[in-house]
Amino acid sequence: RKEVEQDPGPFNVPEGATVAFNCTYSNSASQSFFWYRQDCRKEPKLLMSVYSSGNEDGRFTAQLNRASQYISLLIRDSKLSDSATYLCVVLPGSARQLTFGSGTQLTVLP
Amino acid sequence: NAGVTQTPKFRVLKTGQSMTLLCAQDMNHEYMYWYRQDPGMGLRLIHYSVGEGTTAKGEVPDGYNVSRLKKQNFLLGLESAAPSQTSVYFCASSLGHTPSTDTQYFGPGTRLTVL
Repeated sequence: RKEVEQDPGPFNVPEGATVAFNCTYSNSASQSFFWYRQDCRKEPKLLMSVYSSGNEDGRFTAQLNRASQYISLLIRDSKLSDSATYLCVVLPGSARQLTFGSGTQLTVLP
Repeated sequence: NAGVTQTPKFRVLKTGQSMTLLCAQDMNHEYMYWYRQDPGMGLRLIHYSVGEGTTAKGEVPDGYNVSRLKKQNFLLGLESAAPSQTSVYFCASSLGHTPSTDTQYFGPGTRLTVL
């Protein structure tokens, strides 16, 4: 079983739609969670950290469910510019190195 | 600030050839990392460094060597390239003080093809 698993998609949604991605992780001792965004043929960039109480940044909302070991990302009012691959990233336990999921591809259609 | 830069951007090697990828950062970051990204696999850590003069193995270190002689530079070497090393290589850096909140900043990547 992969340490971090994501639905690869692709998710094709119209502009203005709400879309949600889930990610599961296998190490119950994982402490920190992040969503990174990667545009086609570009480098990954931090989108947002995921806090235990859930957190929101504009149109983006991240949630953590420790009991079920998954995190989610909700994007409201999708824009064309949201088209990208979204990487779920976990810091397992006391490790100092991040573990990346293989990504979920999102395409927002006009 | 240039952030994290990588050279070269593209390279084609023949099996058995050697090469060195250079990563440079101008943010005075302590930690630096080398990843490879393959389709459907996500980013996998090759080697990393927690400071000048230190290196450590990541998830997939075989076939690669690294050096961190200067704080701002992290070199990745392939001694004898194999087709399985065809990939996109990303370098990243972070402050390194608090891993749980540390943001990793990535370079633009190097696309390597081994024939």
